[in-house]
Amino acid sequence: DIQLTQSPSFLSASVGDRVTITCRASQGISDYLAWYQQKPGKAPKLLIYAASTLQSGVPSRFRGSGSGTEFTLTISSLQPEDFATYYCQQLNSYPLTFGGGTKVEIK
Amino acid sequence: EVELVESGGGLVQPGGSLRLSCAASGFTFSDHYMDWVRQAPGKGLEWVGRTRNKANSYTTEYAASVKGRFTISRDDSKNSLYLQMNSLKIEDTAVYYCTRAAGTSFYTAMADHWGQGTLVTVSS
Repeated sequence: DIQLTQSPSFLSASVGDRVTITCRASQGISDYLAWYQQKPGKAPKLLIYAASTLQSGVPSRFRGSGSGTEFTLTISSLQPEDFATYYCQQLNSYPLTFGGGTKVEIK
Repeated sequence: EVELVESGGGLVQPGGSLRLSCAASGFTFSDHYMDWVRQAPGKGLEWVGRTRNKANSYTTEYAASVKGRFTISRDDSKNSLYLQMNSLKIEDTAVYYCTRAAGTSFYTAMADHWGQGTLVTVSS
């Protein structure tokens, strides 16, 4: 199975900060990676797929990059509504797997 | 508008069975792969399994943790997805989400729509 390791698992940031979350795969997954945002008590929401393609309706301050085994999700200027937990998911092979999550909290 | 509504969750004893349903609307259900994803209380997301569409023979995939105990099925005539859960364990306690895969390729088989989830509690 492909393991996804997200770092950090927790980060504290201020509104306006640039935030970067990393997702590392235990083996190469090309660019078959998606990112999701989840707020407390809510279902996850798709942000990015194919490693760097922004889902329709997602603000352009979210950016995904990477290929192979290392991927990043960058929020260029953190907004109040961005405080949430973020997950990566690989779609390269079964079983599909998620990273452990990164919780972004207000500093 | 795409809508996914799960039902069937509840309290069940270890070793028991439960069947979850997901009613889909707002899209051509029969075209899409459908997944179940779960989230234990206070924990991260875990992919449970997938059913492909008719064009791909309704084949299924499962996580190792549920293989042999859980069965995913669908009824395209009713726009419904199901998760039959047998031999339930305490560690199966979670919110179960029904999700739609956007497409059928590696690039597009991510979950672009999620239901609100239904809670399954396995406890004696």
